[in-house]
Amino acid sequence: DAKTTQPNSMESNEEEPVHLPCNHSTISGTDYIHWYRQLPSQGPEYVIHGLTSNVNNRMASLAIAEDRKSSTLILHRATLRDAAVYYCILRDSGGSNYKLTFGKGTLLTVNP
Amino acid sequence: KAGVTQTPRYLIKTRGQQVTLSCSPISGHRSVSWYQQTPGQGLQFLFEYFSETQRNKGNFPGRFSGRQFSNSRSEMNVSTLELGDSALYLCASSLRPDGELFFGEGSRLTVL
Repeated sequence: DAKTTQPNSMESNEEEPVHLPCNHSTISGTDYIHWYRQLPSQGPEYVIHGLTSNVNNRMASLAIAEDRKSSTLILHRATLRDAAVYYCILRDSGGSNYKLTFGKGTLLTVNP
Repeated sequence: KAGVTQTPRYLIKTRGQQVTLSCSPISGHRSVSWYQQTPGQGLQFLFEYFSETQRNKGNFPGRFSGRQFSNSRSEMNVSTLELGDSALYLCASSLRPDGELFFGEGSRLTVL
């Protein structure tokens, strides 16, 4: 399984932008980049995903490097409710194996 | 729209016993996957079902099994429980195997 590397933790202030990096140097051409987050005492929650182009939705933006070996999840204005563990995951779309392989994730702390 | 429902939410078992956990997916979702979450190993994929067929299985011993019913509800069973099986067991459903996953809140199993 292709692996991802994320910082163990990051800190941000409320209402400031947050850039969460993810390295995936062994990504294959059919791997989508997915982001999920897990709030305390809850199951993971889908955030965003993309293949090659940058993506935006109501929760966040995903910036993908041109060589696809890294990506960045952008929270435009962090709130206290964004404090969670953020997982960057590669998900193969080329075959029949769609399982998610979670790494350790990045624990995001948001300061008021 | 009701979310993914997992029952029971909490349970305590003793070594050697067996346990069955239940997952009711979001209405219309035909794909169900299971994950084990522990502080040491993080989130690990157990298995995935689509239309009553197991499509993928993670690296867990045969004591871990599952099934999916015609109404897409799924159960997982762990036999001969060990202390190391203590974990949060998460179920996720999606419209398609490669679709966005919606997680339940999990079943927290404690093995004494």
